[in-house]
Amino acid sequence: QQQVKQSPQSLIVQKGGISIINCAYENTAFDYFPWYQQFPGKGPALLIAIRPDVSEKKEGRFTISFNKSAKQFSLHIMDSQPGDSATYFCAASKGGSTLGRLYFGRGTQLTVWP
Amino acid sequence: DAGVTQSPTHLIKTRGQHVTLRCSPISGHKSVSWYQQVLGQGPQFIFQYYEKEERGRGNFPDRFSARQFPNYSSELNVNALLLGDSALYLCASSFEGLGIGSQHFGDGTRLSIL
Repeated sequence: QQQVKQSPQSLIVQKGGISIINCAYENTAFDYFPWYQQFPGKGPALLIAIRPDVSEKKEGRFTISFNKSAKQFSLHIMDSQPGDSATYFCAASKGGSTLGRLYFGRGTQLTVWP
Repeated sequence: DAGVTQSPTHLIKTRGQHVTLRCSPISGHKSVSWYQQVLGQGPQFIFQYYEKEERGRGNFPDRFSARQFPNYSSELNVNALLLGDSALYLCASSFEGLGIGSQHFGDGTRLSIL
């Protein structure tokens, strides 16, 4: 049973455009929602993360939007660049600690065309 | 500072054999988690260790075992290998504490079963 559902599976965006990836969850005990970026042959790298007490968090060109009532969160990549082409994973954990087990979505393969 | 290091980077085994994968966490991190990432999927949680104690176990058979050493490094052992065990095995370390933190991943060990 997939605890975190992610869409779309793949995404193609023009350079300079906005990339949007969506995730949904059911378990209301989740209290930490990170996004990871993974390049081929590499491990996932933390991009940005949010707690459910805020509705939005922005770091540079990356923004997480969080809707607690809908149990959904999304990643927006503004001014997408070819170097952003990678696989993106949303994840969730519970327990209020950095030590929590991460439940990952299935991933979105983003391709940014120049 | 060195990140999470895993060895070996690649490994080829045959069915029925056993394998040992190794992980060194970031200096100062006392928690180590293991994840299995099958091609095209998100990482799936296998084990978590903190201060040499098992803190959690995912839905994996008893063929999978792990341990953490006094220096916080860790080993993942898999016995009686099956074709379905072919995957990227990721190790993540994290720092103890509440608040927004993160699990830092190594680049993984690519295990191929023939």
